[in-house]
Amino acid sequence: DIQMTQSPSSVSASVGDRVTITCRASQGISSYLAWYQQKPGKAPELLIYAASSLPRGVPSRFRGSGSGTDFTLTISSLQPEDSATYYCQQTNTFPHTFGQGTKLEIK
Amino acid sequence: EVQLVQSGAVVKKPGESLKISCKASDTSRWIGWVRQMPGKGLEWMGMIYPGDSDTKYSPSFQGQVTISADKSISTAYLQWSSLKASDTATYYCARHLNPFSYSYGMDVWGQGTTVTVSS
Repeated sequence: DIQMTQSPSSVSASVGDRVTITCRASQGISSYLAWYQQKPGKAPELLIYAASSLPRGVPSRFRGSGSGTDFTLTISSLQPEDSATYYCQQTNTFPHTFGQGTKLEIK
Repeated sequence: EVQLVQSGAVVKKPGESLKISCKASDTSRWIGWVRQMPGKGLEWMGMIYPGDSDTKYSPSFQGQVTISADKSISTAYLQWSSLKASDTATYYCARHLNPFSYSYGMDVWGQGTTVTVSS
């Protein structure tokens, strides 16, 4: 299985800050990477697909980049509603493994 | 509005069988199943294309669960023949974004089904 490793495991930042979360794959996955946001007690929501594409309705402050093995999710200006856990998922090879998650807290 | 509607929370005893459902608005996209154990992260279990029941499993779940679908009612299922306490979790179904590929993530999620297995 491809291992997905996210860092950091948790991060605390203030409203307006820029936050970057990284995701590393144990082998190359081209651009087949998705990012999800999950708030407590809720289902995950798709934030980014194909490493850098935003689904309709996702705010433009979310940006994804990377290819191969190294990927980043950047939130350009943190908002209170961005407090959540973020997961990456590779969709290049079965099984479509998730990262362990990054918990983002607003100071 | 596209949505996936999952069956309700259940409490079962170890050794019992269970089948939970996920009703979609159509059968034209892959449906995935994801486990989330209490306080833990997301785990990809497998997926099915309801149109022809083509199914892919994670090796971690192969043989432990059965994924199936009934195309006539646009519903996917996740089934256990003998539950264990370690199956206690919330299970999500989710629809794949792209109708022609399963490689672009899942954009519509069900509300989750909480399964509690306890004696």
